[in-house]
Amino acid sequence: NAGVTQTPKFQVLKTGQSMTLQCAQDMNHNSMYWYRQDPGMGLRLIYYSASEGTTDKGEVPNGYNVSRLNKREFSLRLESAAPSQTSVYFCASSEATTEGYYGYTFGSGTRLTVV
Amino acid sequence: LAKTTQPISMDSYEGQEVNITCSHNNIATNDYITWYQQFPSQGPRFIIQGYKTKVTNEVASLFIPADRKSSTLSLPRVSLSDTAVYYCLVGDSNAGNMLTFGGGTRLMVKP
Repeated sequence: NAGVTQTPKFQVLKTGQSMTLQCAQDMNHNSMYWYRQDPGMGLRLIYYSASEGTTDKGEVPNGYNVSRLNKREFSLRLESAAPSQTSVYFCASSEATTEGYYGYTFGSGTRLTVV
Repeated sequence: LAKTTQPISMDSYEGQEVNITCSHNNIATNDYITWYQQFPSQGPRFIIQGYKTKVTNEVASLFIPADRKSSTLSLPRVSLSDTAVYYCLVGDSNAGNMLTFGGGTRLMVKP
């Protein structure tokens, strides 16, 4: 199915370990985003990439880095995981049409636990 | 970014019409209003988007008054499967503009 694919779906890390969350979209969208969602809360933007080659900080960027590898792929890296980064991570992409539609398409999420 | 305010939770029964209102007093001229639905353990899913007046699709209707300072998502004849969290977002139509998700409205549909 066309859409946004995230890997892995689940991950357990020890405090201080590093890992990269992968995200790929096949809709030829220019913009991609990483959000985190803590239990019972709304989504908070970590980083976004308006287009290939550009990245910008969102609301909660501390402790994360991103790479827009190409138009399809946008990865999120935790250099030194902390228990406060235990969350569900969602990747999304979006595109504007001539009508102004800019709806996001979200991946199914990565559930990360840091112990 | 325009801030939105929604009720934290709502209860309904199967077959009823549900209306969820979102307040966005600081909406800008170029902002669109978009609603998303999120089921547990899934990413949010686009429901409907509008700029002014009324928009209807196969899933819902969106009512936007002339001053655009609020909007109402209307779900006709809800079923148990409509139990989810509903988010109202306001943002510019340019791609790449980051959107802010509030806490959403947790809708519980009862049999």
